[in-house]
Amino acid sequence: DAKTTQPNSMESNEEEPVHLPCNHSTISGTDYIHWYRQLPSQGPEYVIHGLTSNVNNRMASLAIAEDRKSSTLILHRATLRDAAVYYCILRDGSGGSNYKLTFGKGTLLTVNP
Amino acid sequence: DSGVTQTPKHLITATGQRVTLRCSPRSGDLSVYWYQQSLDQGLQFLIHYYNGEERAKGNILERFSAQQFPDLHSELNLSSLELGDSALYFCASSPRTSYNEQFFGPGTRLTVL
Repeated sequence: DAKTTQPNSMESNEEEPVHLPCNHSTISGTDYIHWYRQLPSQGPEYVIHGLTSNVNNRMASLAIAEDRKSSTLILHRATLRDAAVYYCILRDGSGGSNYKLTFGKGTLLTVNP
Repeated sequence: DSGVTQTPKHLITATGQRVTLRCSPRSGDLSVYWYQQSLDQGLQFLIHYYNGEERAKGNILERFSAQQFPDLHSELNLSSLELGDSALYFCASSPRTSYNEQFFGPGTRLTVL
């Protein structure tokens, strides 16, 4: 599985935008970029995913670099409930049934009131 | 609430014992995934079932086995338990229309004494 690199931790203030970076310089053409988050004492939660183009959904936006070697998860207005560990994951989309997720250490996001 | 249920919530047992963890996927989801989260290894993929058939295997020990039943619920059996098997075990399911999104259950916390 291709590797991702994320900062161990980040801090933000409530109601401000948050940009969570992820480097994946060895990404292959068939790798999807997924983001999940894990709130304290809960299971991981899907946030967003993309392949080449930027993506938006109700939770966040995903900005993917043109060369796909990095991406940024954008939370437009952080709330206290967004405090969690955020995982950037590459999933190999070349196989017909390879849907396993390989989690790294993620970024611990702290949101200050 | 993701719609994925797991029982029991907590399990305390002794070394050498055998336990069964149960997972009910979201209504209509055919895929079930099992993950293990421990302090030293992080979140690791164990196994993926689709409509009763094993589709992918990860770092699952030979002492562990899983199956998915005709009603689509799944069970993870852990035998000859060791102290190092103490962890959170998560089950996830994904819909037919979007295999990119996995919905995780609340987990079963296993403590082996």
